Amino acid sequence: GENVEQHPSTLSVQEGDSAVIKCTYSDSASNYFPWYKQELGKRPQLIIDIRSNVGEKKDQRIAVTLNKTAKHFSLHITETQPEDSAVYFCAASRYGGATNKLIFGTGTLLAVQP
Amino acid sequence: GAGVSQSPRYKVAKRGQDVALRCDPISGHVSLFWYQQALGQGPEFLTYFQNEAQLDKSGLPSDRFFAERPEGSVSTLKIQRTQQEDSAVYLCASTTPRDRVYTGELFFGEGSRLTVL
Repeated sequence: GENVEQHPSTLSVQEGDSAVIKCTYSDSASNYFPWYKQELGKRPQLIIDIRSNVGEKKDQRIAVTLNKTAKHFSLHITETQPEDSAVYFCAASRYGGATNKLIFGTGTLLAVQP
Repeated sequence: GAGVSQSPRYKVAKRGQDVALRCDPISGHVSLFWYQQALGQGPEFLTYFQNEAQLDKSGLPSDRFFAERPEGSVSTLKIQRTQQEDSAVYLCASTTPRDRVYTGELFFGEGSRLTVL
């Protein structure tokens, strides 16, 4: 089955700096890669996703890149703000498969220092 | 409803007790997932329903875990004879309104935090 690894587990940056979180996946049939943000004690919420037919997607200060050959994908947050502080989870799935179940990484705790 | 609702939000059980966790998905959502999130970890897949059919239960850790969605709406996750290792947040997520295409986004509830003493 699919296995998703995520690094780093914690990341501390100064406000205004960029943050990068990296994930690798094992199942070459995975074709959908979302990122979820989870604030302390809150529900995970989708912030951006990418499908395997594109290499990069941007939405304001966040972007995701995908390297299918290497089975890597990354989240980039520019001009970080204190409200970006949260745990970020990457995930992978076979979009259009029998269940579309997401396999999550272990999470990255991002702390943005004012 | 406006979002996925889970109850109870917090549950403390003595080891060996049975517990039942409820999920009210977004109205009309066809697909429903249960995930287990241990402290400091990512959500781990437990089971998946499409309407009332349980299509995937490969993530249920033991036969003490049982889930149902008899009318294709509300779902219940039941854990029998709870053990300390069952302590976690149990997240429910729903997606895909009827007659719509799956977009990929899961809508999560805030979870039920289970503590087994």
